[in-house]
Amino acid sequence: AQKVTQAQTEISVVEKEDVTLDCVYETRDTTYYLFWYKQPPSGELVFLIRRNSFDEQNEISGRYSWNFQKSTSSFNFTITASQVVDSAVYFCALSSGGGADGLTFGKGTHLIIQP
Amino acid sequence: KAGVTQTPRYLIKTRGQQVTLSCSPISGHRSVSWYQQTPGQGLQFLFEYFSETQRNKGNFPGRFSGRQFSNSRSEMNVSTLELGDSALYLCASSNNVGLAGNTGELFFGEGSRLTVL
Repeated sequence: AQKVTQAQTEISVVEKEDVTLDCVYETRDTTYYLFWYKQPPSGELVFLIRRNSFDEQNEISGRYSWNFQKSTSSFNFTITASQVVDSAVYFCALSSGGGADGLTFGKGTHLIIQP
Repeated sequence: KAGVTQTPRYLIKTRGQQVTLSCSPISGHRSVSWYQQTPGQGLQFLFEYFSETQRNKGNFPGRFSGRQFSNSRSEMNVSTLELGDSALYLCASSNNVGLAGNTGELFFGEGSRLTVL
């Protein structure tokens, strides 16, 4: 069985602060994929990043960065210099078993950026 | 390029009724997946269709069914509605599919919000 845990239910920070969203996953497969999605109030999930289990390189995209550590089964997401537009619910997700079980999502972290 | 379109966006039904939700994927995408989102259970995988065939199914009762047409459009149906079926139903399409399932980026629609009274 696979599982994704996002322990932070809600985080509130003031604009321009850096914020890290935690994600811990469990899977018995050696080949798997990790994702982050953003869900604004409109409802659709917006893809942010996909990582496969063989690529532990950290990634940076503008103000966003991701830290993948297999040793701790974590795939954390950091927003640098947060902005009000970053306010949303963020989901970490896992796909293993060749995708046969769909995506397993964490419960999500509601990020509130206060002006 | 048009995104994933889901209709209707909102609907209200009563217990025992049935409902059909529609999803038009991004042009060229052959895989369509459905997810249920509730406050209690979060996001859960319902099923995935590829080339008009249900390829994978999540842990939901048989009241939940779906189909995919030759143009990749998909519908899902829930029969004998229960109060617990109230949820946001999200459809996602992809053009990145593996042999067993979808391991790539999913493009989601805005969802159909179902309320069962």
